[in-house]
Amino acid sequence: NAGVTQTPKFQVLKTGQSMTLQCAQDMNHEYMSWYRQDPGMGLRLIHYSVGAGITDQGEVPNGYNVSRSTTEDFPLRLLSAAPSQTSVYFCASSLKSTSYEQYFGPGTRLTVT
Amino acid sequence: AQKVTQAQTEISVVEKEDVTLDCVYETRDTTYYLFWYKQPPSGELVFLIRRNSFDEQNEISGRYSWNFQKSTSSFNFTITASQVVDSAVYFCALRGGATNKLIFGTGTLLAVQP
Repeated sequence: NAGVTQTPKFQVLKTGQSMTLQCAQDMNHEYMSWYRQDPGMGLRLIHYSVGAGITDQGEVPNGYNVSRSTTEDFPLRLLSAAPSQTSVYFCASSLKSTSYEQYFGPGTRLTVT
Repeated sequence: AQKVTQAQTEISVVEKEDVTLDCVYETRDTTYYLFWYKQPPSGELVFLIRRNSFDEQNEISGRYSWNFQKSTSSFNFTITASQVVDSAVYFCALRGGATNKLIFGTGTLLAVQP
């Protein structure tokens, strides 16, 4: 199993550009989520999904969209990048819900200039 | 509201010292889950332990031990005889029973000096 994979590893965007961060898992996990990590802030939940076709907002959803058309994939879309979205983004998955351990991807370091 | 507080921002110890990382949580749920994750300098996040609110038994895994006390809403993590490889950021996290959201603390940076 590859576990949770994320692409790209690094990305630089200009303000106003849009892009999609990719996340995939091959463990047949129902629950997937996106976090952003900023210095001194820990990890904050952006969006999550409890299964294909079902998504919900986390703590900091503004400026981001998600969809879950398959069990395996959970892409995160930045609609119009802003410098405040400069961060490290982690995708995670768990078997059924957050009562189970989460497996994290390697992260994507995004810089918005 | 749910909250996790890790008051220790940074801790520095010398190898072989014991060190305790504090975690205090807030939740109104009677059923909840607590976690610890490790983030070494390479950046990945590694699961260490999960505890549910009905199981207050302390856990030991090698040099690692966890003390869960509902009376003080704490879930502290102790590393015995620390090693340089223990240097990392450690996160405590909480999931309330009624939500699928995992709330993280701000993390404690542990530096173990040789």
